[in-house]
Amino acid sequence: DARVTQTPRHKVTEMGQEVTMRCQPILGHNTVFWYRQTMMQGLELLAYFRNRAPLDDSGMPKDRFSAEMPDATLATLKIQPSEPRDSAVYFCASGLVAPDHFGDGTRLSIL
Amino acid sequence: AQSVTQPDIHITVSEGASLELRCNYSYGATPYLFWYVQSPGQGLQLLLKYFSGDTLVQGIKGFEAEFKRSQSSFNLRKPSVHWSDAAEYFCAVGVSGGSYIPTFGRGTSLIVHP
Repeated sequence: DARVTQTPRHKVTEMGQEVTMRCQPILGHNTVFWYRQTMMQGLELLAYFRNRAPLDDSGMPKDRFSAEMPDATLATLKIQPSEPRDSAVYFCASGLVAPDHFGDGTRLSIL
Repeated sequence: AQSVTQPDIHITVSEGASLELRCNYSYGATPYLFWYVQSPGQGLQLLLKYFSGDTLVQGIKGFEAEFKRSQSSFNLRKPSVHWSDAAEYFCAVGVSGGSYIPTFGRGTSLIVHP
């Protein structure tokens, strides 16, 4: 079965550090999504790309978050500097138009 | 903007019993509708989606959902629940016009008793 692969699965770091999360979408999927899941807010869309072009990143705090797709096999989400309120599970998903497949997420803890 | 309400935070059923999870949406035009399932420590898995056509949608794992425009609902059903169906279930709605990007409900936790 084709899978969306996310690394790392877990990340613990101190406030102020840079965090980079990576995602390998399913080959052939042209739309990639980043979601954040917390108990308080549920699932929130942070950004999404179609054909590697960013279409919407209005869900991201622009001053500290950035999302890129350097090529069709890699999407990255960076946080710099990280803050305790960024602690959450971050999911990448891919599909042809909508998120058909999710990765297992990166569980991020900022101390 | 579109929104989704899943009225039940928790649902408890006995194994072998039928299941219906409720989902109501708010959107002025024809929505795109999704159901996903999430097991602990894992990502979401798409069960089924409705974009157009037949309002009764068949999905994976024996699930189905029915789009009822008059009730603004997209309830998920399964005739006989298995213990492995215990998980969190999310309904989501996307807008028409090309974006398809779903907004998620807060989820319903399904507990299955033996």
